[in-house]
Amino acid sequence: GENVEQHPSTLSVQEGDSAVIKCTYSDSASNYFPWYKQELGKGPQLIIDIRSNVGEKKDQRIAVTLNKTAKHFSLHITETQPEDSAVYFCAATNSGYSTLTFGKGTMLLVSP
Amino acid sequence: IAGITQAPTSQILAAGRRMTLRCTQDMRHNAMYWYRQDLGLGLRLIHYSNTAGTTGKGEVPDGYSVSRANTDDFPLTLASAVPSQTSVYFCASSRQGESSYNEQFFGPGTRLTVL
Repeated sequence: GENVEQHPSTLSVQEGDSAVIKCTYSDSASNYFPWYKQELGKGPQLIIDIRSNVGEKKDQRIAVTLNKTAKHFSLHITETQPEDSAVYFCAATNSGYSTLTFGKGTMLLVSP
Repeated sequence: IAGITQAPTSQILAAGRRMTLRCTQDMRHNAMYWYRQDLGLGLRLIHYSNTAGTTGKGEVPDGYSVSRANTDDFPLTLASAVPSQTSVYFCASSRQGESSYNEQFFGPGTRLTVL
């Protein structure tokens, strides 16, 4: 089955800096890679996703890149703000009918 | 529109007791999931259901059972709770399909403590 590794487990940055979270996956058939943000006391919420037919996707301050050859994908947050502080999860799947496999999460702390 | 609701919000349970965590969605999603979240271990899938009347085992199914009698409800039962089942439990739902790519919507969670 799929295995998703996520690094780092914690990341501390100063407000305004950029943050990068990296994930690797094992199943070359995986073709959909979402990122979820979990704020304290809440359930995870989808913030951005990417499909295997594109290499990069942006949405305002966040972007995701995908390298299918190396089987890794990354989340990039620019101009970080304190409200970006949360736990971020990457995930992967190979089909719209399959379950997601999640990474173990990254706790991002943005200091004012 | 409520999305996904879970009940109870939190519960303290004596070991050996039976407990059912409730989950209801109003988005008419065909697929539903139960995860547990433990520090350092991320989100681990317990059971899932692709459609009403069917269920499947996830990564950590032992000690848990589910049923899916209709589209909206997906209860998770602990037949005889043990302390290792202390965790935060999340229910999620999605519209599975060839082109939907399985975006999952999560409930607010149930914090369960087994003593």
